Amino acid sequence: GNSVTQMEGPVTLSEEAFLTINCTYTATGYPSLFWYVQYPGEGLQLLLKATKADDKGSNKGFEATYRKETTSFHLEKGSVQVSDSAVYFCALKKAGTALIFGKGTTLSVSS
Amino acid sequence: DTAVSQTPKYLVTQMGNDKSIKCEQNLGHDTMYWYKQDSKKFLKIMFSYNNKELIINETVPNRFSPKSPDKAHLNLHINSLELGDSAVYFCASSPGQGFSDTQYFGPGTRLTVL
Repeated sequence: GNSVTQMEGPVTLSEEAFLTINCTYTATGYPSLFWYVQYPGEGLQLLLKATKADDKGSNKGFEATYRKETTSFHLEKGSVQVSDSAVYFCALKKAGTALIFGKGTTLSVSS
Repeated sequence: DTAVSQTPKYLVTQMGNDKSIKCEQNLGHDTMYWYKQDSKKFLKIMFSYNNKELIINETVPNRFSPKSPDKAHLNLHINSLELGDSAVYFCASSPGQGFSDTQYFGPGTRLTVL
């Protein structure tokens, strides 16, 4: 079946550090891939997405590239800020289905 | 002008009660969803409607009954609440069912069953 695996957290970083959150997926066919972010006490917001192989999604300094050969969609940011502290979810979607989420990775950034 | 809104934001109730959560979207989307987020933050789809028609119905106890009176609204009614129903319930909407359609989430309803 279709599934998403994310690295376990929590991830704790100092401000301005480099961030990578690993995400791999298993799917039949060619899904779209998403990163959503959930700030404390809030709903999920789309951070970025990619709809086909080699696409790069980017937003607010975050990037992720759809790698079909490694079935991965790792999230990266060159310099994190305290305001980036949140839970990050990797997800996949195929037509006619709902989002399938990874378990989420909690990021905590300290100044 | 909130895109996807849910009421109530918090719901505390006793076991055995019946409760409803309401969701409205003003984005003109055709498709709406209910997700459940458990205490470990894991999100799982429960139901989805497209233009008032049920299209996804995951393995959910039949105490849970969604209703879509029109394509802008999707409500969730829960009968005979149990302790295990305590969770955060998120409503979401998307333009359609396409594989690249972005889903927009509401702020969530935190349900606590005592």
